[in-house]
Amino acid sequence: AQTVTQSQPEMSVQEAETVTLSCTYDTSENNYYLFWYKQPPSRQMILVIRQEAYKQQNATENRFSVNFQKAAKSFSLKISDSQLGDTAMYFCAFEDGQRPLHGLTFGKGTHLIIQP
Amino acid sequence: DSGVTQTPKHLITATGQRVTLRCSPRSGDLSVYWYQQSLDQGLQFLIQYYNGEERAKGNILERFSAQQFPDLHSELNLSSLELGDSALYFCASSQTSLPNNEQFFGPGTRLTVL
Repeated sequence: AQTVTQSQPEMSVQEAETVTLSCTYDTSENNYYLFWYKQPPSRQMILVIRQEAYKQQNATENRFSVNFQKAAKSFSLKISDSQLGDTAMYFCAFEDGQRPLHGLTFGKGTHLIIQP
Repeated sequence: DSGVTQTPKHLITATGQRVTLRCSPRSGDLSVYWYQQSLDQGLQFLIQYYNGEERAKGNILERFSAQQFPDLHSELNLSSLELGDSALYFCASSQTSLPNNEQFFGPGTRLTVL
């Protein structure tokens, strides 16, 4: 079974700083997808960014980018020019591309606090 | 607003009872997923339906069951409730059952078992 580990339960940075959230995963599959979801205080789950394992280029969405290291099974999220609205729980998630029989597998989450 | 609706928003019930959670997917989405978020277990995938048929099963207890109706809305039935079933239950929908299809999450149903 796949596992996703987020080793930082909580992080706090000042507004406008850059912050990196860590995620590692364990799988024996070669075809899979990785995601970062944001859960603000409203509890709504929002997709931030996703990465296909077969793509070498790191995904980027405006201020959000990932550092995908396939050999190391690492998938970190970088948030540039952080804003107060980025305060939320961030979940790393894995999806098997060969046999999608398990939905998304989530990590435990990182609570990110952006200080004014 | 993701376009996925869930009712009710909150549900308070007693141990041993049975409840039904309802989900309406986004217009055009054929796939519905159910997830449970609790303090102990985190976010866990429960079950997936695609166009009325069960497609994938996760950590769903035997006391729990789900179905997807012809109009594509889905219901999650939880029976013989225990204190540990208290959690936030999310429904998500996507266009297809294929991987890497963005899943759009509903606002969740907060279940409290007393």
